[in-house]
Amino acid sequence: NAGVMQNPRHLVRRRGQEARLRCSPMKGHSHVYWYRQLPEEGLKFMVYLQKENIIDESGMPKERFSAEFPKEGPSILRIQQVVRGDSAAYFCASSPAGRSYEQYFGPGTRLTVT
Amino acid sequence: KNEVEQSPQNLTAQEGEFITINCSYSVGISALHWLQQHPGGGIVSLFMLSSGKKKHGRLIATINIQEKHSSLHITASHPRDSAVYICSGGTSGSRLTFGEGTQLTVNP
Repeated sequence: NAGVMQNPRHLVRRRGQEARLRCSPMKGHSHVYWYRQLPEEGLKFMVYLQKENIIDESGMPKERFSAEFPKEGPSILRIQQVVRGDSAAYFCASSPAGRSYEQYFGPGTRLTVT
Repeated sequence: KNEVEQSPQNLTAQEGEFITINCSYSVGISALHWLQQHPGGGIVSLFMLSSGKKKHGRLIATINIQEKHSSLHITASHPRDSAVYICSGGTSGSRLTFGEGTQLTVNP
């Protein structure tokens, strides 16, 4: 799984600040997925993106959360005005085009809101 | 009812024991993943399979498409195998659907 890179690995934010989580997919992968794992809970889908397109954001909270995957550079998951309930591990996965079922995970970013 | 269900939720074994974790799914999937997560750690993809059986070291994964069932076996278990094991199904759509995970503890 070394191919999918996420940074930072750990992020501490105060309530009200913004959090930016980055994900670089594996080489040759054009699809990116974000998942969230709340404390003591399982993984939940958030959003699926291709380059410059959001394909499925049905798992994203309606407010404060946004995601992008620009033509150049990593995918960004942005959380505005963070609250304590946003504290979680955020995992990114990537897949080749046409093979969404074949996802490889990054190491995750652990967000702590104080 | 979850689309992907795992059993057992918790499993404690003695070092050296043969371990089986089961996964049943109710959705049509293109591939089934077995993932491993250590406490506070990232997710490691152990297997992706769509039919038959795969083996990697002491780990074996099988899937029966007709019965919508998969098993993960660990032979000669070791304390370092202690982790959460997660079954997930990948469809031709976008998302993976995850089981709740099995917490495995292997005691020396």
